[in-house]
Amino acid sequence: GAGVSQSPSNKVTEKGKDVELRCDPISGHTALYWYRQSLGQGLEFLIYFQGNSAPDKSGLPSDRFSAERTGGSVSTLTIQRTQQEDSAVYLCASSLDRPYNEQFFGPGTRLTVL
Amino acid sequence: KNEVEQSPQNLTAQEGEFITINCSYSVGISALHWLQQHPGGGIVSLFMLSSGKKKHGRLIATINIQEKHSSLHITASHPRDSAVYICAALVIGESDSNYQLIWGAGTKLIIKP
Repeated sequence: GAGVSQSPSNKVTEKGKDVELRCDPISGHTALYWYRQSLGQGLEFLIYFQGNSAPDKSGLPSDRFSAERTGGSVSTLTIQRTQQEDSAVYLCASSLDRPYNEQFFGPGTRLTVL
Repeated sequence: KNEVEQSPQNLTAQEGEFITINCSYSVGISALHWLQQHPGGGIVSLFMLSSGKKKHGRLIATINIQEKHSSLHITASHPRDSAVYICAALVIGESDSNYQLIWGAGTKLIIKP
């Protein structure tokens, strides 16, 4: 597999439901990032994983958001009790080793909360 | 005042023109990232640089650390270059896990044939 993959590509959910978004980084990339882009807005950093270090969660907008990365590879972003303002495109990126390296972005998951 | 500012916000030019997009930042950075977002939403990383200049095809990125300024240039612009160009300042804390990427608002570029 060449690039970063994300699933699902589109997710429509009802307000109050939980959702899980998945990211498969490029093989060998130890750094993984989650961002989101709301309609008409710029990119917003959410969370960053580097190897086995504790993630930088400084960008998570509320405690309804959490992310984990299993085995240093696949990551899951979970949003609990979704709200309409959570509607956005959620982007995952990975880079080789440190953030200094260029980030490769996945296609994104478009989340719509009704 | 935003910590990362881009100019112009919007730029329309004719095919073939030389394009410059500017990015100024007020924070101490580890590196500066230029990205391109296509009309369909896909994002491509163009450059990450911490000093000097990088070139890839018709794209050139420069950074002046002392002046806290970076520029993205496009030579011989083409309609397919139409996209939003975003600069982001990378700030890394004492440990590599303390990481901030501060985004500019983006520059919407339209190249007319």
